[in-house]
Amino acid sequence: DAKTTQPTSMDCAEGRAANLPCNHSTISGNEYVYWYRQIHSQGPQYIIHGLKNNETNEMASLIITEDRKSSTLILPHATLRDTAVYYCIVSFTQGGSEKLVFGKGTKLTVNP
Amino acid sequence: EAGVVQSPRYKIIEKKQPVAFWCNPISGHNTLYWYLQNLGQGPELLIRYENEEAVDDSQLPKDRFSAERLKGVDSTLKIQPAELGDSAVYLCASSLNRVETQYFGPGTRLLVL
Repeated sequence: DAKTTQPTSMDCAEGRAANLPCNHSTISGNEYVYWYRQIHSQGPQYIIHGLKNNETNEMASLIITEDRKSSTLILPHATLRDTAVYYCIVSFTQGGSEKLVFGKGTKLTVNP
Repeated sequence: EAGVVQSPRYKIIEKKQPVAFWCNPISGHNTLYWYLQNLGQGPELLIRYENEEAVDDSQLPKDRFSAERLKGVDSTLKIQPAELGDSAVYLCASSLNRVETQYFGPGTRLLVL
């Protein structure tokens, strides 16, 4: 299963874009990149996922490099409520099932 | 649409006592997961159910942990007897099927004294 590398922590000013990087250099061709976040005392919340193409939804954008060895999650206009731990995960298939292996994530702090 | 429901949200017990956690997945979701999250760490999978069948329980400490999903909907995770090291957050997640996105509940925070 592919491992991911994320910075331990990041800061962002309220209203500015938050760009969270993730390295996954050992990713295989059929493995997806997932992003979840976990706000204090809550369960992880799904944000977005992608395989090759860039993806956008109401929460965020996901930019995946052409070689798929890294990706960036973009929160276009960060708010104080976006303060959370953000997990970048490369899912892999085992026994026909998608498995998620969480690392320690990036602690994003949005400052007023 | 209601999300994944877990209860209780918090539980404090003395060591060697039994404890049980309950999870109700999103309606129509066939796959259910139990995760363990220690402080400062990401969640770790304990067991995965496809309907009522436990198809991946390789990470479940079977000497003291057990789980069931009798009718393929609600699930219960039990610890008997609890140890100090079991203090953690127990998360339940569900997905439409085994390859779809997982959605998590709020978790049960267990403290063993």
